[in-house]
Amino acid sequence: KQEVTQIPAALSVPEGENLVLNCSFTDSAIYNLQWFRQDPGKGLTSLLLIQSSQREQTSGRLNASLDKSSGRSTLYIAASQPGDSATYLCAVIGVTSGSRLTFGEGTQLTVNP
Amino acid sequence: DAGITQSPRHKVTETGTPVTLRCHQTENHRYMYWYRQDPGHGLRLIHYSYGVKDTDKGEVSDGYSVSRSKTEDFLLTLESATSSQTSVYFCAISRDSGTEAFFGQGTRLTVV
Repeated sequence: KQEVTQIPAALSVPEGENLVLNCSFTDSAIYNLQWFRQDPGKGLTSLLLIQSSQREQTSGRLNASLDKSSGRSTLYIAASQPGDSATYLCAVIGVTSGSRLTFGEGTQLTVNP
Repeated sequence: DAGITQSPRHKVTETGTPVTLRCHQTENHRYMYWYRQDPGHGLRLIHYSYGVKDTDKGEVSDGYSVSRSKTEDFLLTLESATSSQTSVYFCAISRDSGTEAFFGQGTRLTVV
């Protein structure tokens, strides 16, 4: 059974700092990995999707990498801003899980002005 | 934003009553999903659909049923609500299997 772990569970940084969020998964047979952002009381917003054949994806100040063989992904946020404060979730679709996303429990990020 | 509308957004119901949550999409995506989000458990899949009248169970399907009679609508029914079904319910869609998933704003359900 696929398990997804996100470390740390919470992170507090000063504004302007570059930071890395980590995601690990137990079964490397995946179709893709997706990073989401969730603001309190809101739905999930898709940030980046990395296909299993890709090593990284970039969108603005965000860069996500994927190392399928080691079961790890990182989300790099450059020059963090208070507006980046949210919970960040990663999810994978495994080859044997059909179209189901398996989620980690998220990293709660606070960027202090 | 992907065109996903969940209704109602908030509901309080009594134990033992039936409840139906609705997810409506305007993207013509083939796949639709229902997840629940609970502290300490994260997001867990309840049921999903891969086409009209085609559905399958997720990891926490007991006590829930679904129906999809049209591409754009996916209904989640709690036949007899229990307090353990108090949760935030999210609908998601994807164009096809393994493609990017988009989520609705959620329905907060409280069973008293």
